[in-house]
Amino acid sequence: GENVEQHPSTLSVQEGDSAVIKCTYSDSASNYFPWYKQELGKRPQLIIDIRSNVGEKKDQRIAVTLNKTAKHFSLHITETQPEDSAVYFCAASIKENTGFQKLVFGTGTRLLVSP
Amino acid sequence: DGGITQSPKYLFRKEGQNVTLSCEQNLNHDAMYWYRQDPGQGLRLIYYSQIVNDFQKGDIAEGYSVSREKKESFPLTVTSAQKNPTAFYLCASSPHGGGGETQYFGPGTRLLVL
Repeated sequence: GENVEQHPSTLSVQEGDSAVIKCTYSDSASNYFPWYKQELGKRPQLIIDIRSNVGEKKDQRIAVTLNKTAKHFSLHITETQPEDSAVYFCAASIKENTGFQKLVFGTGTRLLVSP
Repeated sequence: DGGITQSPKYLFRKEGQNVTLSCEQNLNHDAMYWYRQDPGQGLRLIYYSQIVNDFQKGDIAEGYSVSREKKESFPLTVTSAQKNPTAFYLCASSPHGGGGETQYFGPGTRLLVL
């Protein structure tokens, strides 16, 4: 069935290091891959997304890469800062029989950036 | 995301009681969604609606019901049939529910069982 796997579940880095979170998906027809950041007790907020017609997208310290052949995509955060500490979720779009596209989310990665 | 509101912030349910969670958006979005978030399980889709007066079951619809009488509103009722309702409930909306749209989330409602 539809599935998005996310690794690692927790990630601890020192301030200034890079962090990488990886996701794999099962539906080869998926064409939209957003990443959300959720701080404790708050709503998820979109930080970056990528569509299937590109392989990489960058926004300042954040980048996402997509490998459609292998069906995996990754979030890269460079020069991490303590305020990057949060739970990060990946998601992949899944097309229903009705044509409606829903998002299937990974289980989340808790990132802790130590000063 | 500031255009989506949820209430209440915290909700307590007694055994056998139905409770309703409110979700309102002023973004003029056609599509709205309800998710349930449990620790370590990410977000799971309960129901979604692409247009007024139409909604579809998501992956974990049992024990829940919704209505979509107005474009701006998509309330979720947690019925007594939902045996493990304690969770963080998130409402979201997107422009049309078509291909590859960003979903914008509300602030969430935390439901606790007394």
